[in-house]
Amino acid sequence: QVQIVQSGAEVKKPGASVKVSCKTSGYTFTNYAIHWVRQAPGQRLEWMGWINVGNGNTKYSQKFQDRVTFTKDTSATTAYMGLSTLTSEDTAVYYCTASMTTFPGTWFDPWGQGTLVTVSS
Amino acid sequence: QSVLTQPPSVSGAPGQRVTISCTGSSSNVGAGYDVNWYQQFPGRGPKLLIYIDSNRPSGVPDRFSGSKSGTSASLAITGLQAEDEADYYCQSYDNTLNGYVFGTGTKVTVL
Repeated sequence: QVQIVQSGAEVKKPGASVKVSCKTSGYTFTNYAIHWVRQAPGQRLEWMGWINVGNGNTKYSQKFQDRVTFTKDTSATTAYMGLSTLTSEDTAVYYCTASMTTFPGTWFDPWGQGTLVTVSS
Repeated sequence: QSVLTQPPSVSGAPGQRVTISCTGSSSNVGAGYDVNWYQQFPGRGPKLLIYIDSNRPSGVPDRFSGSKSGTSASLAITGLQAEDEADYYCQSYDNTLNGYVFGTGTKVTVL
C-alpha cells in the first residue's frame, strides 16, 4: 500500500525559511514524481511544482520559483520542500503528493496528511 | 491568473443527484487537457476521485461520475449519502501558466 507521511507542523517568523519532509513507502520511490501543493486557510489548492525523484529534475510554478527548492534522498525514500523568505501569506497547509508521470494531464495520488506552516511574528 | 471556476456550494437530500461544474478556458480544459477530481474532508488531505475526465480509481463508489465537454467538466454524485459531505476540487493543466491548476472548490452539503 502506497503511503506518504509528512513532517510535523512548523511555526516560523517572517523572513525565515522552512523545510518540510515527505516520507514515502509501499512503492518504488524512483518510479514516481513528487508534487507539492499548498492550501491557505479557506482557500483552494495551489500547485507549487514537482521533482522527478528518478533523475532529480525539478519544475517550479512561476509564483514560487525564486523561493522554493525541492530535493530528495533516494535511500530514505523521502522528498523535501524548502521555502525561503517567508511572509504571513505563506501560512498554509503544505501537501506532498505523487504522480506516475510529469506530463500535462497527470493526476495526483496518493496525498500526504499535510503540514501546517504558520508564519507569525 | 487562469483558474478553474466551481460553484461555492451545492446541496441535496439523501438519495438525490447533485452535479458540480468546473469551468475553464482555452488554455486548460478547452485545450483538451484531462480533468481530475478530488474529495477533501476537513483537516484531511485530498483523495483522488476521478481521473482522466471520467475514470474511477479502485474503491471509489460508482455513484461518482465525471464528464467533460468543451471548456467545462462536471462531477455528478447520484444517490447522495451523508458521507459524501465534503469539499470537491477539479484539477487540470494550463499551458499559459505551464503548470497544474485547481478549481475554486465546492462544498457539498447533505440536507
